[in-house]
Amino acid sequence: GESVGLHLPTLSVQEGDNSIINCAYSNSASDYFIWYKQESGKGPQFIIDIRSNMDKRQGQRVTVLLNKTVKHLSLQIAATQPGDSAVYFCAENLASGTYKYIFGTGTRLKVLA
Amino acid sequence: DTAVSQTPKYLVTQMGNDKSIKCEQNLGHDTMYWYKQDSKKFLKIMFSYNNKELIINETVPNRFSPKSPDKAHLNLHINSLELGDSAVYFCASRAAGGLKETQYFGPGTRLLVL
Repeated sequence: GESVGLHLPTLSVQEGDNSIINCAYSNSASDYFIWYKQESGKGPQFIIDIRSNMDKRQGQRVTVLLNKTVKHLSLQIAATQPGDSAVYFCAENLASGTYKYIFGTGTRLKVLA
Repeated sequence: DTAVSQTPKYLVTQMGNDKSIKCEQNLGHDTMYWYKQDSKKFLKIMFSYNNKELIINETVPNRFSPKSPDKAHLNLHINSLELGDSAVYFCASRAAGGLKETQYFGPGTRLLVL
């Protein structure tokens, strides 16, 4: 079926290190991508987004990179903190003006003290 | 103020029962969604309404029936609940058009069917 990413990996990083979370998306027509953070017991929360006409976008401590050639997204978190521990999802919007989003299976980030 | 709210937060019920989950958003958005998140955390879109009109209807059993009385509310009614319906159900909303097309999610409704 439709999916972005195929499994739920776990990434463990030491507090203070940088984290890189990867995502493969499936549809070359997708033109808008979002990273979400989901903490235990809560709904997904928007972190950062990027449009297909960009290859990099920076936020506060987070950077999203988009490689359209290989249909790959990454989320970089600088100086990872315990509060960053969560499941991270990438999502693709199939094309501007459509309302459908496809979510990846997520990556669990564990921050080690 | 909670932007997207859902009730109830927890729902435990017997197989065969009928139940409803409610969602409300105070963001003034035009589009609302229901997602199902399974035990492996996979998020799957179920339905979407735009200005009270159904625009996305994925392959969902017809025991699931969404209803949007107005654009701020999207409810989900489930008939004849089955064990496999146990999951977390998330409501989300989104502004129409513009540059900001991200969704805002509610806190989820944890449904357990016994």
